[in-house]
Amino acid sequence: GQSLEQPSEVTAVEGAIVQINCTYQTSGFYGLSWYQQHDGGAPTFLSYNALDGLEETGRFSSFLSRSDSYGYLLLQELQMKDSASYFCAVKSDKLSFGAGTTVTVRA
Amino acid sequence: DAGVIQSPRHEVTEMGQEVTLRCKPISGHDYLFWYRQTMMRGLELLIYFNNNVPIDDSGMPEDRFSAKMPNASFSTLKIQPSEPRDSAVYFCASTTGVNEQFFGPGTRLTVL
Repeated sequence: GQSLEQPSEVTAVEGAIVQINCTYQTSGFYGLSWYQQHDGGAPTFLSYNALDGLEETGRFSSFLSRSDSYGYLLLQELQMKDSASYFCAVKSDKLSFGAGTTVTVRA
Repeated sequence: DAGVIQSPRHEVTEMGQEVTLRCKPISGHDYLFWYRQTMMRGLELLIYFNNNVPIDDSGMPEDRFSAKMPNASFSTLKIQPSEPRDSAVYFCASTTGVNEQFFGPGTRLTVL
């Protein structure tokens, strides 16, 4: 089976940088995805890492280390609209989601 | 593109009643997924289809749950009989098999 661990909550101020870590255990691994979900909304795709290293998409970056079974999502120049839950998800034969990290951005 | 469409958006029913949730995937997507989200259990994969064929239903909680995909543009998730512990938000998602899944707006189900 799969298990994923990520922090439950993170709070930061506008303009700050937040890093959300995700460690996983899985049988079979293709890649690590990140999704954002605003309260009352649907998950939306942010990024996918299949290979080791850093992928940058605007203010958000995602990192993967396959040897360490570890990844992170980096949120830079935080804005109020970034307040949401962020899920890491392991892609094996299917997609398995972590419990989510609630990010609260304060003014 | 209208995105993934789900209906109804909200459903309130009484214990023992049959509930049918509907999903229209994005045209051209050949994978369809049903998820359930609760505070206690997070986001759980219930079942997924590829080219209308169920591939993995190991997440379906029990025989009260069933899902069908009669064609490429329609899928249903049925709960019969419903129980209060089935109360959750049910999401449908579709993809072409690459890395990004597109989620519908969800159906918020309340079983009294």
